[in-house]
Parts: sequence; structure tokens; C-alpha cells
Amino acid sequence: EVQLLESGGGLVQPGGSLRLSCVASGFSFSWYAMSWFRQAPGKGLEWVSGMGAPGGPDVYYTDSVKGRFTISRDDSKNTLYLQMNSLRAEDTAVYYCAKRDPGSHFDLWGQGTLVTVSS
Amino acid sequence: IVMTQTPLSLPVTPGQPASISCKSSQTLLHSDGKTYLYWYLQKPGQSPQLLMYEVSSRMSGVSERFSGSGSGTDFTLKISRVEAEDVGVYYCMEGIHLPWTFGQGTKVEIK
Repeated sequence: EVQLLESGGGLVQPGGSLRLSCVASGFSFSWYAMSWFRQAPGKGLEWVSGMGAPGGPDVYYTDSVKGRFTISRDDSKNTLYLQMNSLRAEDTAVYYCAKRDPGSHFDLWGQGTLVTVSS
Repeated sequence: IVMTQTPLSLPVTPGQPASISCKSSQTLLHSDGKTYLYWYLQKPGQSPQLLMYEVSSRMSGVSERFSGSGSGTDFTLKISRVEAEDVGVYYCMEGIHLPWTFGQGTKVEIK
């Protein structure tokens, strides 16, 4: 079955860190660009970070997470990561990973993992 | 880029048509000739699913009741005959300028 499965969410204090993982199955993970999105409780969707064409060095971040979040991937493990440091209350959200079709649209999303930043 | 959807709430009667507008603050027409506008549906309790890409191309498995149109900065998603399974929040998204952005979402519910 073609799917993405996120994990690593949880409750963390402001200023703390978490690492999210997204395991891919059912397709050739190494061929595809990937991104992380998030959705704050009761709010809309927000793109957070992405990795460009496989094999290339390009990584991208939305301004609010630059310098705090790091996206990476391990193609040998079919896994995408999001290292989140210096977490803030406003980072509280469900985080989704998504696969990017070569045509540029995101055609496969995971079920999401909830990150709660609170003291 | 700012994406503006209207309406934000759309009560519909089953079997009736529905239409959602999405306007972008900049053109979504790329120099490659493609227009990078997508439509997603997030059903209650689920992750988003892609309905339409490049304005009017329907994803595999998406009902023919859904259609997308528009160009440049003005786009529309139409549902020819709304069914109960169509309820959820519809988002437009642009894919031409980083950071990629979404509209606020349009909540479609059955009357």
C-alpha cells in the first residue's frame, strides 16, 4: 500500500526540541521531493519546509521556522525527518508530510502527528 | 502570495451545484506555460487529499462532478451535484512562489 506514516509528535515545553519522522512505503521514496505541512488547531493549512529534487541540495523553509527547524531525509530508510528546536507555543499543530509529484503537486499525505508546545 | 477564498462557509442542498472562488495576489502562470493552482479537500478528521492540479486536471479517482477553471489570478472549483460525501473544507493552494500558500479554506456542509 502506498502510504506515509508520521511519528514523533508529543507534548514539549517552550524552548524544547522534537524530531518528527515520516516513513514512506509502497513507492520509490528516493525519487521524490518531499515537504512538511502543519495545521494549528482549528486553523488552515501551512507549508513548513521542503526538500527539492532528489539528489539535490535544495531545502526550503517558511520564514517563521528558519534557523529553528531542519528538514532531512534518509533514502536508505525511506524516511523524511523534521528536527524542530527552540519550539514556541505557535508551533502547536498537526504536522503532515507529503510527497511531491514531479508535476509539482502534493499527491500523497500522511495522517499527521500532533505537536503541542506548552508548559 | 496571498490566496483569498470565497465564501468561507457554503451550506448546500444535496443534488445542487456548488462553486468556490480562489483569487491569488500574483499570477500563478509560470514561464513554462503551466498554472500552478491546486485544490485540496480535507474531510472531517482526515488529512488533505488532492482533487485538482494545474487548475483543471482531476486527480485519479476524483469524481467527474468536480471541475476546475480559471487563469492568471482567478480560479473556481465547481461541484456539479453535491453529495453527502463532499462535506469538508476545501483549500486552494499555489505552487509557484515559495513559501507555497493556501487559501483560508471553504467549509462545505449539507443543509
